[in-house]
Amino acid sequence: DAGVIQSPRHEVTEMGQEVTLRCKPISGHNSLFWYRQTMMRGLELLIYFNNNVPIDDSGMPEDRFSAKMPNASFSTLKIQPSEPRDSAVYFCASSSSGTIPGQYFGPGTRLTVT
Amino acid sequence: AQSVTQLGSHVSVSEGALVLLRCNYSSSVPPYLFWYVQYPNQGLQLLLKYTTGATLVKGINGFEAEFKKSETSFHLTKPSAHMSDAAEYFCAVSNFGNEKLTFGTGTRLTIIP
Repeated sequence: DAGVIQSPRHEVTEMGQEVTLRCKPISGHNSLFWYRQTMMRGLELLIYFNNNVPIDDSGMPEDRFSAKMPNASFSTLKIQPSEPRDSAVYFCASSSSGTIPGQYFGPGTRLTVT
Repeated sequence: AQSVTQLGSHVSVSEGALVLLRCNYSSSVPPYLFWYVQYPNQGLQLLLKYTTGATLVKGINGFEAEFKKSETSFHLTKPSAHMSDAAEYFCAVSNFGNEKLTFGTGTRLTIIP
């Protein structure tokens, strides 16, 4: 079975541009998580969804960040406008709530904002 | 509230030597405990997990961890280090009914030839 799929793997953009990161969770998983990883702050949970509904977005840094999950097989994380301090690796993870504990991570998107 | 402490942000061991990465947790309810490994430029990969039952848990690549409730610990071990074990290792905790993982700050393992 395919794991969590993220696209693009690398994104370089200029400050002020809109960035959209995409994630396809493992088929059958009903929870999805967005994380950000930087050297300074480590791994941070941004938001998570259960059955396509946002459950906890307390980690979203500011209004420039938004996330959607229109269906069980797709989620996006959007940054508008992007800033250099948003440069990081963004991970998506999925899990099957109520059955098998543990999250499964995608390969990440490395975002560089210049 | 839950928390995880990983002692030692950097650990170096010689090839063939014992690997011991330390993890202590805090949880007000029975914990689920996890170890993840992150190789350079990759995502986190689940190494092993403890939920209930046997306290000694075996994972991939020869790693194992033991849940010790009295010590609130879940240390990761491997009898003989291999060069390919060089990576960053994260300990994490959650519990029944709570999918959110609380991660430790990670331990970078270096293998000395």
